[in-house]
Amino acid sequence: QITLKESGPTLVKPTQTLTLTCTFSGFSLSTSGVGVGWIRQPPGKALEWLALIYWNDDKRYSPSLKSRLTITKDTSKNQVVLTMTNMDPVDTATYYCAHRLGQGDYHFDYWGQGTLVTVSS
Amino acid sequence: SYELTQPPSVSVSPGQTARITCSGDALPKQYAYWYQQKPGQAPVLVIYKDSERPSGIPERFSGSSSGTTVTLTISGVQAEDEADYYCQSADSSGTEVFGGGTKLTVL
Repeated sequence: QITLKESGPTLVKPTQTLTLTCTFSGFSLSTSGVGVGWIRQPPGKALEWLALIYWNDDKRYSPSLKSRLTITKDTSKNQVVLTMTNMDPVDTATYYCAHRLGQGDYHFDYWGQGTLVTVSS
Repeated sequence: SYELTQPPSVSVSPGQTARITCSGDALPKQYAYWYQQKPGQAPVLVIYKDSERPSGIPERFSGSSSGTTVTLTISGVQAEDEADYYCQSADSSGTEVFGGGTKLTVL
């Protein structure tokens, strides 16, 4: 059974760096083709694709946020970490991590419950 | 930047057929995926690779593709299908995006 869970601060101040951790079980990020991605959703708004890392350390970023994002993995801990620099109130959103089964196949078949991050001074 | 365009809302009566469209220039060459999201919940994949249905998704959910438009069809809509629906795909370079979402209301 695949599960994912996001963790991190619920409140960050403007200009600070956000660090979110996705801890998963039921699969390994050392398995060929597997990936873990991050998606966010501001309150009442649409989903926004952020970043993704594959088993072979291939990393993909949203072009509009690429300069602010870093995604890494710790295979031994079954964790993926997303950092976002220079946080702004417009970055207030629920942040989800999700599992992907294969490279070149763009869907996410399992999602975490999401974690709400508020950016405010 | 690449965009997928969905209607903001669709309304149907129970038992009728709901069709939600998603338009994008790269859709003839890239698969589309559909997610259902109910309030306070994470999205759930309902269609992948334009028309494939994951296990556990009711048969009333189907997907199709024609040119630059993909369509999610829900036949015999039930009250429990009321939710937001998002399409997802990628542009020709592989940059992934979500559509703006469609709120399905069951009257």
